[in-house]
Amino acid sequence: EDKVVQSPLSLVVHEGDTVTLNCSYEVTNFRSLLWYKQEKKAPTFLFMLTSSGIEKKSGRLSSILDKKELFSILNITATQTGDSAVYLCAANFGNEKLTFGTGTRLTIIP
Amino acid sequence: NAGVTQTPKFQVLKTGQSMTLQCAQDMNHNSMYWYRQDPGMGLRLIYYSASEGTTDKGEVPNGYNVSRLNKREFSLRLESAAPSQTSVYFCASSITGTNYGYTFGSGTRLTVV
Repeated sequence: EDKVVQSPLSLVVHEGDTVTLNCSYEVTNFRSLLWYKQEKKAPTFLFMLTSSGIEKKSGRLSSILDKKELFSILNITATQTGDSAVYLCAANFGNEKLTFGTGTRLTIIP
Repeated sequence: NAGVTQTPKFQVLKTGQSMTLQCAQDMNHNSMYWYRQDPGMGLRLIYYSASEGTTDKGEVPNGYNVSRLNKREFSLRLESAAPSQTSVYFCASSITGTNYGYTFGSGTRLTVV
């Protein structure tokens, strides 16, 4: 069964801390893994990963994929209150449908 | 560019009432999707349309119908609303055949009482 599992479910840290969010997947015909940030409304796209070991980076956010071990991590360094959100991981299993995990709720305390 | 536009943003229905959620995209995307989001459940696919004229069931299609009216528009209909359909509904679109992920609408918060 195609499945995406995220951990932890929630995380509370202080501003300035570094966090690592995890996403594991069990999908056949895996093509890509995507990360989204969801604040109050619609999810917004962060990264798409298709190849193992190649880090994608955008400012303080970075992500990497391990296709052998079937997982991805999202790192956020020097966290800010604006990073507070739900982070969603999704996998594409070859027919343009995305399977989403339940998300990690990240709260940054000033 | 408006992207993906959903209407209405909020709706309260009584059990048994019907309604249609509207979605339109102006990005010339081929594929469109309807998801629902419930606490602790993540986003679950209701129906999708890979191209104009085609629709397919997703993970949770029961109680819903869809219409791909044209390339731009994909509507979701609840024929007889039930409290279990209280949720936030998101429409999304993507370019078929690529890995660029989705563009989401801003969501519809539906409450069925």
